[in-house]
Amino acid sequence: DSGVTQTPKHLITATGQRVTLRCSPRSGDLSVYWYQQSLDQGLQFLIQYYNGEERAKGNILERFSAQQFPDLHSELNLSSLELGDSALYFCASSASSWGNTGELFFGEGSRLTVL
Amino acid sequence: QQQVKQSPQSLIVQKGGISIINCAYENTAFDYFPWYQQFPGKGPALLIAIRPDVSEKKEGRFTISFNKSAKQFSLHIMDSQPGDSATYFCAASSSNDYKLSFGAGTTVTVRA
Repeated sequence: DSGVTQTPKHLITATGQRVTLRCSPRSGDLSVYWYQQSLDQGLQFLIQYYNGEERAKGNILERFSAQQFPDLHSELNLSSLELGDSALYFCASSASSWGNTGELFFGEGSRLTVL
Repeated sequence: QQQVKQSPQSLIVQKGGISIINCAYENTAFDYFPWYQQFPGKGPALLIAIRPDVSEKKEGRFTISFNKSAKQFSLHIMDSQPGDSATYFCAASSSNDYKLSFGAGTTVTVRA
């Protein structure tokens, strides 16, 4: 158990809808990362927050947004969903804000299916 | 575009054999190269990591070889076991980088 909790584990919705994925980081970790995993793209970095502030943005679509709350949990909001958004969304946390200074601890992911 | 290129996409090895996964990068600022292991239904977990001041790091049956001049690094799994069957991701980051950039992953199947 990594200590990172993601909900929901599975989500099925229709095109055009909006969903919210939730992540609770490991106790004490200030950094939260969101990654998208699809079959042919591996793990694609979406966005990172550190202690409530956005630190880095990757290949995140404008239809997607995220935030980190004062209690350090994070939410990833996906709107105007398309079939191609179907993927596994991972949250990871770490103690540091820098990618090269330590381990990322991943949750078990939220599997989104858009029909 | 993928900042870290990983190959092969998949491999099958017999129990007791050696699995080799290769990764290449272009960004010379990268100074941290971890490998993550992912089992079905689980999130990736750190397996082993190396920094460019050493050319090799070994932890049990897992070894990272690093070639700075070629901008390549590889994971060797010695005496592969069925329990090693998983997807392996190489990754890289730098001191200028907030994120970890991952390769596309290699699915390793170890046949008993």
